[in-house]
Amino acid sequence: DILMTQSPDSLAVSLGERATINCKSSQSVLYSSNNRNYLAWYQQKVGQPPKLLFYWASTRESGVPDRFSGSGSGTDFTLTISSLQAEDVAVYYCQQHYSTPYTFGQGTKLEIK
Amino acid sequence: QVQLQQSGPGLVEPSQSLSLTCAISGDSVSSNTATWNWIRQSPSRGLEWLGRTFYRSKWYNDYAISMKSRMIINRDTSQNQFSLQLNSVTPEDTAVYYCARQEFYFNSWGQGTLVTVSS
Repeated sequence: DILMTQSPDSLAVSLGERATINCKSSQSVLYSSNNRNYLAWYQQKVGQPPKLLFYWASTRESGVPDRFSGSGSGTDFTLTISSLQAEDVAVYYCQQHYSTPYTFGQGTKLEIK
Repeated sequence: QVQLQQSGPGLVEPSQSLSLTCAISGDSVSSNTATWNWIRQSPSRGLEWLGRTFYRSKWYNDYAISMKSRMIINRDTSQNQFSLQLNSVTPEDTAVYYCARQEFYFNSWGQGTLVTVSS
């Protein structure tokens, strides 16, 4: 199984400041035949299912604000929120869809400082 | 837009079977591009992928190894839905269960069902 490890486990950032969440996979999720990283990011608010933010590591899902960005390749990935808004308080998960069993990171809880 | 509507009991007794159904609108369970998944979430295990069913000229099921001996995913094409049956449940199976549509990534999710295993 591919192990997904996020850091930090929790993060408190002031409104308007940058938030950065890291995700590391135990093996590469880059598929060489199409040069795509099989890595997705989700946002989960209390009482709701996860919501897709990014796929292929850096492709923003429709409707996701452009203050969110995804980057990285191979085994190391980053989700960045350039200017934190109150509505961004949530738990964020990375997930590999390279191979089954599909696995998720443990989550990063983002709060307002 | 694809919508998934879950149904099923929220309380199951230990050693009994857990059964949940996911009704699909906006797509077909027989889609040749999507797969139909069950995922659960608990404080101890986080988000855990359980298994999926999909159609590619014939039907396939794919289960997490840890669940394979106790789990069955079925589909009902006439009702456009799929279901989860988890046998011999224990308190460790207490979790929020989600159904989800996958086209590489999980782009549609059910609302979630909290299932508690308790007598």
